[in-house]
Amino acid sequence: NAGVMQNPRHLVRRRGQEARLRCSPMKGHSHVYWYRQLPEEGLKFMVYLQKENIIDESGMPKERFSAEFPKEGPSILRIQQVVRGDSAAYFCASLQGAGELFFGEGSRLTVL
Amino acid sequence: AQSVTQLGSHVSVSEGALVLLRCNYSSSVPPYLFWYVQYPNQGLQLLLKYTSAATLVKGINGFEAEFKKSETSFHLTKPSAHMSDAAEYFCAVSEGNSGNTPLVFGKGTRLSVIA
Repeated sequence: NAGVMQNPRHLVRRRGQEARLRCSPMKGHSHVYWYRQLPEEGLKFMVYLQKENIIDESGMPKERFSAEFPKEGPSILRIQQVVRGDSAAYFCASLQGAGELFFGEGSRLTVL
Repeated sequence: AQSVTQLGSHVSVSEGALVLLRCNYSSSVPPYLFWYVQYPNQGLQLLLKYTSAATLVKGINGFEAEFKKSETSFHLTKPSAHMSDAAEYFCAVSEGNSGNTPLVFGKGTRLSVIA
């Protein structure tokens, strides 16, 4: 899935620190979805963004989490004051068409 | 609201045996349905999709799925399992032509293939 680029692939943070996860969608795509995957769970939708616009953030926790997709540069998912429960794999996907999502390799966050 | 139920969190088959992974969905509008596969420490890769055309959909790696509206099912099958099929499989639903609504995923089924 080289088309959608996520970094870092692995991130370790201590409780209370900030985590920033980046996603560049496929070339020419301007829609990005973020999902979170917890062990033994499926993927949970977090947020859907267009360039400079949040379309749907119904899956985002109300506190500490934010997302943006600026006119220039990657989409960023930001988690402030991380807690152990934030440890998960975070996946970004760009919209291929007809509802089909093309996923990145994911960013795996570990909170110590 | 849409939802997906995957029956069986873990399925184990012998190499060469039939693979059947079950998926039932709930949607208030005609759905689009998808199966994705995830290998360890990787992202999700699309296996196949149903978007209101033929009800029997063929995908990559010999997999296929049949959309059965009366049963609200979209089960994934493969006639003969290969060791390389061992992975996690996710069924997902979206609201079809209702726009770019987010995919809703099931919890996944881990497929093990025994030599």
